[in-house]
Amino acid sequence: ETGVTQTPRHLVMGMTNKKSLKCEQHLGHNAMYWYKQSAKKPLELMFVYSLEERVENNSVPSRFSPECPNSSHLFLHLHTLQPEDSALYLCASSQESAGLGRAQYFGPGTRLTVL
Amino acid sequence: GENVEQHPSTLSVQEGDSAVIKCTYSDSASNYFPWYKQELGKRPQLIIDIRSNVGEKKDQRIAVTLNKTAKHFSLHITETQPEDSAVYFCAASGGGGADGLTFGKGTHLIIQP
Repeated sequence: ETGVTQTPRHLVMGMTNKKSLKCEQHLGHNAMYWYKQSAKKPLELMFVYSLEERVENNSVPSRFSPECPNSSHLFLHLHTLQPEDSALYLCASSQESAGLGRAQYFGPGTRLTVL
Repeated sequence: GENVEQHPSTLSVQEGDSAVIKCTYSDSASNYFPWYKQELGKRPQLIIDIRSNVGEKKDQRIAVTLNKTAKHFSLHITETQPEDSAVYFCAASGGGGADGLTFGKGTHLIIQP
């Protein structure tokens, strides 16, 4: 499959569960991102990884834990979430170029519901 | 940090007419401004982008203009078609390599037949 893929596409979890979201990019990019999209709110940047190093953590609660084992894969580990964490979680990737903003390409998202 | 404001939140136009969506940003260091289109249940898709060293960019029926002095940029869609109906998001980034994007709240564009 080409582009950016995410699994699972839908996830329902209880507040005491632990789950992980997976993102994979097939574009040869070296930067990956997690965004949260809630109803009535703009897309919110959560984490940025560049060359497998975390470069930004946008004041995200510690119940969200990212992991980037290599430039093609990105995970978001979830534990003890709250109902307000229910949202669409989008992964994106880009080709980093020092000093220049680059187009980011999004995956289809994981629709997360926390009961 | 960066703050992006987007207007209007909903825009309804007759098929064939033009649509304009406007955004302002707060950080003068931002130098990359993409626009995304998101159809219901689908991922955001990049439709056009502009860098701060360019004032205008066009791609067929879509154009983006940037006014760095006023810190605002706009999306123009001409000869609108039913398939243009979607939510459009503007965004800004500091351009520092792997900078995350700061998004506007989105504009729901409705094309009336």
